[in-house]
Amino acid sequence: GNSVTQMEGPVTLSEEAFLTINCTYTATGYPSLFWYVQYPGEGLQLLLKATKADDKGSNKGFEATYRKETTSFHLEKGSVQVSDSAVYFCALIQGAQKLVFGQGTRLTINP
Amino acid sequence: DTAVSQTPKYLVTQMGNDKSIKCEQNLGHDTMYWYKQDSKKFLKIMFSYNNKELIINETVPNRFSPKSPDKAHLNLHINSLELGDSAVYFCASGNPQGRSYEQYFGPGTRLTVT
Repeated sequence: GNSVTQMEGPVTLSEEAFLTINCTYTATGYPSLFWYVQYPGEGLQLLLKATKADDKGSNKGFEATYRKETTSFHLEKGSVQVSDSAVYFCALIQGAQKLVFGQGTRLTINP
Repeated sequence: DTAVSQTPKYLVTQMGNDKSIKCEQNLGHDTMYWYKQDSKKFLKIMFSYNNKELIINETVPNRFSPKSPDKAHLNLHINSLELGDSAVYFCASGNPQGRSYEQYFGPGTRLTVT
C-alpha cells in the first residue's frame, strides 16, 4: 500500500538556519503530495502541495519539489524563525482520497 | 468564520461510557473525514463520507459509529470507551471530486479515557 517516510525528529535549529526535512513516499502512479504543519495545541494546516512530477509547492518561505525519480518531497526553508517551531507532516493522497501521513517531524527553533 | 469546527475541544470520560464528537464545515465541501492522532502524533484516517454516504471505513472497531445528517456535518459516536481510545480526533473536509485534493482540518478534540 501507499506509505510516507519522514526523517526522524526532533530537529533543533538556531534562528536563520537552513532547514531541510526529508520525505520519501511509496505509491503506484502519481499521487498528490502535501506538507501540513501543526502548531502547538492546534489542528493541522496545509502548508503547501504539489500534484504532479516536478511541481514545486511554496508558501511562507517553505518550498518542496515533487521528485518522481527519487519519490521524494523534501521540505526546505532558507532562514527559519522561532515562529516556525511546530510538527511538520508529509502526506500523500491517491485514489481512495484518504490522506496517508508520515510520522511527523518536530521542529524547534531557538532564538 | 471557522471553516471546520469541532466540539468539544477536550473530553475527559471514564471507561465504558459513550460519547460523541461533533463536526461541522462551512466550506461547501462534499466529503468529510475523521482522523485519529495517537500519543506519538501519528495520524491515521478512520472514516470518510461523501454527501452523507460512507466511502472509507478503515478497519475501525464497530464501537465507533460516524453519522452524517447532511453533507456539512459528520459526527463521531463512540460506545464503551476504552483506555486505548485516548487520542486527538480530527475532522476534515475536502472536495476530491473537484480534483482539488487538499483537506482542511478542524482544531481537534482531545479525548482522555480514564
